[in-house]
Amino acid sequence: EAQVTQNPRYLITVTGKKLTVTCSQNMNHEYMSWYRQDPGLGLRQIYYSMNVEVTDKGDVPEGYKVSRKEKRNFPLILESPSPNQTSLYFCASSPMGGGRDEQYFGPGTRLTVT
Amino acid sequence: RKEVEQDPGPFNVPEGATVAFNCTYSNSASQSFFWYRQDCRKEPKLLMSVYSSGNEDGRFTAQLNRASQYISLLIRDSKLSDSATYLCVALSPFGSARQLTFGSGTQLTVLP
Repeated sequence: EAQVTQNPRYLITVTGKKLTVTCSQNMNHEYMSWYRQDPGLGLRQIYYSMNVEVTDKGDVPEGYKVSRKEKRNFPLILESPSPNQTSLYFCASSPMGGGRDEQYFGPGTRLTVT
Repeated sequence: RKEVEQDPGPFNVPEGATVAFNCTYSNSASQSFFWYRQDCRKEPKLLMSVYSSGNEDGRFTAQLNRASQYISLLIRDSKLSDSATYLCVALSPFGSARQLTFGSGTQLTVLP
């Protein structure tokens, strides 16, 4: 089944404890990105990647890191999480670059930082 | 001002009603537009792309007005299963890569 998977789906952690949210797609998509969704603010892009080893900042990159060592994986790293990073996170992929085509979203990761 | 603005609703309509959502965008260079549907606590899924000439897919019609910088979504003969949040999305050129900007969504509840 063609899909985007994220792990974990739910995570409660404490301020400052490094964490990684994994994202994997099995559709051989070039483009992958991370979003966070907060009430009243909609989906905001954190980072995106046009291809392997090519990543760039989105609208809200502060406090996050990403890497794209393989085409299928695009992990999101929070080196020192803070409570304002409590949010619902979505990974997405698409066949081509730049959002010109349909974005396929993962099921989301609900993160709480205390 | 937000780049993409939507009326958050909620819109509560009876089954069978016609409902319309509008969305305005501020970046006149935006090139493409989409409507995504998001069910409660689930991931967004593409509902339809919005073409400059407008497009229709069954009970759903999308329109683009570049002069006034707004996009609309019309749902005819509403079904209970149409209850969801509808996200308006604009694709804007940004440097060498294009960026998707999402509106915060319009919540629709179709009542029996």
